Amino acid sequence: AQTVTQSQPEMSVQEAETVTLSCTYDTSENNYYLFWYKQPPSRQMILVIRQEAYKQQNATENRFSVNFQKAAKSFSLKISDSQLGDTAMYFCASSLYGGSQGNLIFGKGTKLSVKP
Amino acid sequence: ETGVTQSPTHLIKTRGQQVTLRCSSQSGHNTVSWYQQALGQGPQFIFQYYREEENGRGNFPPRFSGLQFPNYSSELNVNALELDDSALYLCASSTPVPVYGYTFGSGTRLTVV
Repeated sequence: AQTVTQSQPEMSVQEAETVTLSCTYDTSENNYYLFWYKQPPSRQMILVIRQEAYKQQNATENRFSVNFQKAAKSFSLKISDSQLGDTAMYFCASSLYGGSQGNLIFGKGTKLSVKP
Repeated sequence: ETGVTQSPTHLIKTRGQQVTLRCSSQSGHNTVSWYQQALGQGPQFIFQYYREEENGRGNFPPRFSGLQFPNYSSELNVNALELDDSALYLCASSTPVPVYGYTFGSGTRLTVV
């Protein structure tokens, strides 16, 4: 069974600074996806970044990047130049390659507050 | 391209009643998943539908059931509502292999009193 653990319930960062959110996961599978989702007060889950496990290169999307350590089963999210709009709950999630097991397994989330 | 839309946005039901929640998938997506998110928790997988058939289920009792229609929209039905069913219910659509991730709706907030 897959599990996802986020050990930081809350974090805060000053505007324009950099923050890293931690995530570890466990799976016996070799092929899977990893995701970071953002959930603002509007409730909609918004995809921030995704990583395919077979790709060694860390994914990057503008100010967001990941540090994917497959052997350690670690998938941290770095947010550079933090903006007030980054304030939200952040969820780490994993998914197998589809089919009947292609659902998302979420961590409990990290509440990020960006302070002016 | 249209996103995922869910209705209603809020709902209050009495314990023991039945409820139906609706979801329309994003254009081009034929797989729909439902999640339950209790307050302060991460979403929990309920089930997934592909080609109008249930295609994977989480640890939820049979009183949670669903449907998918030919246009890939979906319904979540919950019978015999319990107080613990109070939660945000999220619908997500994707392609069968979620190469580009899942697109979520804004959810339905269900309160059972």
